[in-house]
Amino acid sequence: DTGVSQDPRHKITKRGQNVTFRCDPISEHNRLYWYRQTLGQGPEFLTYFQNEAQLEKSRLLSDRFSAERPKGSFSTLEIQRTEQGDSAMYLCASSLVSGRPPLNYGYTFGSGTRLTVV
Amino acid sequence: KNEVEQSPQNLTAQEGEFITINCSYSVGISALHWLQQHPGGGIVSLFMLSSGKKKHGRLIATINIQEKHSSLHITASHPRDSAVYICAVDNTDKLIFGTGTRLQVFP
Repeated sequence: DTGVSQDPRHKITKRGQNVTFRCDPISEHNRLYWYRQTLGQGPEFLTYFQNEAQLEKSRLLSDRFSAERPKGSFSTLEIQRTEQGDSAMYLCASSLVSGRPPLNYGYTFGSGTRLTVV
Repeated sequence: KNEVEQSPQNLTAQEGEFITINCSYSVGISALHWLQQHPGGGIVSLFMLSSGKKKHGRLIATINIQEKHSSLHITASHPRDSAVYICAVDNTDKLIFGTGTRLQVFP
């Protein structure tokens, strides 16, 4: 396993265009998370999946944002009608959670997709 | 007030110095993580702590659950340790991050 992969690494788009990012988690991991990081700040939670179910979405995730994990493996994050304020690093992470009570065995992060909206 | 606070925000050191980065949090947690982020964005997990102390090479992480405080120590710092160090806490199935501490170690 090569870890968590994100594609593309960089994306420059014009305001108003739609963009889609992909994340391939570690294959044994059942949870997948999306975070957004702006310059000089720590990452902020956007959403997470357990297998194919989207269990939580942040208020940061406006109607223009949608995330899917259709088969419980890779995930996509789409931003419609991009705005300059969407410029950020979009980070994906995955983890394995199991047991009762659920125990998280730790997170593995991707290298991120840096989005620039011009 | 942020739920996870780190100090200092920026830190410069001479090679060989002992470094401490502090993290305080105000929410209930199941674990605390110390992460390293290099230019370009990739994040590497250094430690996951729920109690006590962990050591890996020149890095030591401690946590005091009662005081809601954690520290990351780097002994014999080296220029390759230059990076942003981020504290994050596991809260209700997601991580809440601090803003990071930018460390520069000069030869």
